[in-house]
Amino acid sequence: ETGVTQSPTHLIKTRGQQVTLRCSSQSGHNTVSWYQQALGQGPQFIFQYYREEENGRGNFPPRFSGLQFPNYSSELNVNALELDDSALYLCASSWTSSLGEQYFGPGTRLTVT
Amino acid sequence: AQSVTQPDIHITVSEGASLELRCNYSYGATPYLFWYVQSPGQGLQLLLKYFSGDTLVQGIKGFEAEFKRSQSSFNLRKPSVHWSDAAEYFCAALPQGGSEKLVFGKGTKLTVNP
Repeated sequence: ETGVTQSPTHLIKTRGQQVTLRCSSQSGHNTVSWYQQALGQGPQFIFQYYREEENGRGNFPPRFSGLQFPNYSSELNVNALELDDSALYLCASSWTSSLGEQYFGPGTRLTVT
Repeated sequence: AQSVTQPDIHITVSEGASLELRCNYSYGATPYLFWYVQSPGQGLQLLLKYFSGDTLVQGIKGFEAEFKRSQSSFNLRKPSVHWSDAAEYFCAALPQGGSEKLVFGKGTKLTVNP
């Protein structure tokens, strides 16, 4: 059984640029959630995808968008990067009936300069 | 507003000592409750979860947690800490019957002295 993987591991971007982060779900999972973890903080929910549709969104602006593909992998896109977007971005996969038991990937560390 | 509070930002214990990490939640109805651990540079690993029933929950790595409805708490405990337990610990909550939006506390960093 393959766990949740994320790419890239680290990324440095300039303010105003766009970035795409990728996530491969654990085998058999059909739901993907994305979280932003700023330094010294707990993860904050960005959004969730279930069967390729957005299924809930946290308090993040529209320049944060996502996709889920038929194989349940997912992308997080952030446009017009701001310095405050610097954070660890975590992807978590789950099965819809798992009652919140989510399996996390190692994260992508994004630095915006 | 729904929230999870971890009052202790940083705790230091000696190896072999007991450990208790505090977690309080503020929800209209009792949520599902979770404890996760994050080692440096790693993602989050689920230690244990509480949905209903027995208020003392056993998890992996020798951890347990006790749910106390009267105190809106879900504290994590371990009888004897090992140096490898040094990490950051996050309490999280999920509303019952709602979306799978986990709400996390800010975390407690655990340092273990030899």
